[in-house]
Amino acid sequence: EVQLVESGGGLVQPGGSLRLSCAASGFTVSNNYMNWVRQAPGKGLEWVSIIYSGGGTYYADSVKGRFTISRDSSKNTLYLQMSILRAEDTAVYYCAGGVSGWYVYWGQGTLVTVSS
Amino acid sequence: EIVMTQSPATLSVSPGEGATLSCRASQGVSSNLAWYQQRPGQAPRLLIFGASTRATGIPARFSGSGFGTEFTLTISSLQSEDFAVYYCQQYNSLWTFGQGTKVEFK
Repeated sequence: EVQLVESGGGLVQPGGSLRLSCAASGFTVSNNYMNWVRQAPGKGLEWVSIIYSGGGTYYADSVKGRFTISRDSSKNTLYLQMSILRAEDTAVYYCAGGVSGWYVYWGQGTLVTVSS
Repeated sequence: EIVMTQSPATLSVSPGEGATLSCRASQGVSSNLAWYQQRPGQAPRLLIFGASTRATGIPARFSGSGFGTEFTLTISSLQSEDFAVYYCQQYNSLWTFGQGTKVEFK
């Protein structure tokens, strides 16, 4: 059974940093397209970033230059390093992945709240 | 950026009735379109990819159609567990989601 488990969310002040993790089981992070998708409270889904199986990365314009996606194959874990956080980054962050552009597997999400 | 527009925002349906949800892309996305279901407090679940291919384990009452800029998700006979929010997503050029259609009890 595939499981993706996010962690690392919490309360952070504007301008601060946070690193999210997504630990995978039954599924190899480095062999798949792995994404971060976020959902602000009461709002819809927003794609944030992707890391391809080949290592290439892309970011939404809203986070480019502030967020960095990475993975650790030895730990089978996906990361999202977030810096210069803003109030509008407040959301539940999901990791999601699959073998192509659609997302077969999703984690349960981790809440990031940016507030003073 | 490709903008995805879903309609209607809310659809009121009685159990057993059918429902048709629409999704329009601001530019052509070929068949690179997926549909997701999100129940309250849960992560999204993949229903359809490639505009019309049901994901593993998805009941046959869910069907997708369309190409280019116009897409439809049809639920043939709503069950209680189908009342949820549905999102379309294009993956032809980066990834963008529609704003969602909420299917609620009539």
